[in-house]
Amino acid sequence: QVQLQESGPGLVKPSQTLSLTCTVSGGSISSGGNYWTWIRQHPGKGLEWIGYIDDSGSTYHNPSLQSRLTISLDTSKNQVSLNLTSVTAADTAVYYCARGLESFDIWGQGTMVTVSS
Amino acid sequence: DIQMTQSPSSLSASVGDRVTITCQASQDISNFLNWYQQKPGKAPKLLIYDASNLETGVPSRFSGSGSGTDFTFTISSLQPEDIATYYCQQYDNLPPWTFGQGTKVEIK
Repeated sequence: QVQLQESGPGLVKPSQTLSLTCTVSGGSISSGGNYWTWIRQHPGKGLEWIGYIDDSGSTYHNPSLQSRLTISLDTSKNQVSLNLTSVTAADTAVYYCARGLESFDIWGQGTMVTVSS
Repeated sequence: DIQMTQSPSSLSASVGDRVTITCQASQDISNFLNWYQQKPGKAPKLLIYDASNLETGVPSRFSGSGSGTDFTFTISSLQPEDIATYYCQQYDNLPPWTFGQGTKVEIK
């Protein structure tokens, strides 16, 4: 069965770039029809959809993050990556990767990222 | 963006009670609505998709209904393991998809 695992630094300084990786096991990220989505949750708050990438590498980003966000695939490592530039304290959150375009049936366990100097 | 408003924000009920959560969309989203359960420290889990379809493996005490702008999520008989926060999520037309603010369910 497909499993997802997020990884990355737990602490990022303001104005720097947040880089996270989602490693997919139990299946290929380039299998036809798969979408890989990033979602975040600010501490004690609700969920925010960040964006997705499909198995061909096409992406769709939340317009609120558009100018700072890159989502990419590394098929050789079976990984999905998220890069968010110029971070501020408002980017402090748990970041999840999930499988799906409109409904998310498989999630990683999430990784907490704190933006602080 | 489409705004999703859940109510109540929290509730307390006894084991065996029927629990109902509502979600209202700021515009017509047809039946493009999901419900998730999130337990503390865990990732959300998909329970209901397309407003009323039960995800495989989810107990039948969970159900969803509604279309257009008004949706309901029901737990027919609350169990101790149902303690969690529940979120609705819309996926009408184009992203960004948006979530409700969540409803925290506790045992009385």
